[in-house]
Amino acid sequence: DAKTTQPTSMDCAEGRAANLPCNHSTISGNEYVYWYRQIHSQGPQYIIHGLKNNETNEMASLIITEDRKSSTLILPHATLRDTAVYYCIVRALNTGNQFYFGTGTSLTVIP
Amino acid sequence: NAGVTQTPKFRILKIGQSMTLQCTQDMNHNYMYWYRQDPGMGLKLIYYSVGAGITDKGEVPNGYNVSRSTTEDFPLRLELAAPSQTSVYFCASSYGQGVETQYFGPGTRLLVL
Repeated sequence: DAKTTQPTSMDCAEGRAANLPCNHSTISGNEYVYWYRQIHSQGPQYIIHGLKNNETNEMASLIITEDRKSSTLILPHATLRDTAVYYCIVRALNTGNQFYFGTGTSLTVIP
Repeated sequence: NAGVTQTPKFRILKIGQSMTLQCTQDMNHNYMYWYRQDPGMGLKLIYYSVGAGITDKGEVPNGYNVSRSTTEDFPLRLELAAPSQTSVYFCASSYGQGVETQYFGPGTRLLVL
């Protein structure tokens, strides 16, 4: 699986948009980009995923560059409950459905 | 649905003891997984199963064993506990291969002294 690079930590003011970047320069054509988050040692929680096109759901938006070498997770109006570690994962199909988690980005939402 | 449940929530073991971490899911998912997470680190896959009777190793399988006799249950066995196995253990499940996402349990904290 391709590796990902994320900043170790980020801060965001409450109510503002949180933009979390992820580099995946060696991503293959059949690999999807997934985002999960982990709040205070709970089990990770799925946020969103995409292949080529930008995606949006009730939690967040995912912007993938045209060359697919990087992506950005956007939390449009961050709240204190969004304070968590955010993991960017790239994963191909037909790999036993394994997810390789790195160390992620620790996002702190500041009041 | 309860989703993915794990027991116990916390356990202290002495070196050399054995124990089984329980994991059950009620979503009729085919795939189940065991991860460990050491302090300040990401999750690492220990074992996974693509269906009843089928298991396979992940990144860090040494010191662990699994079995999958039913779709619902996927227990993780530690035979000879070592301090290096002090960690938080997460069980997860997903419907199948493809783009299906994984659903995680609340975790089991294990301390080996």
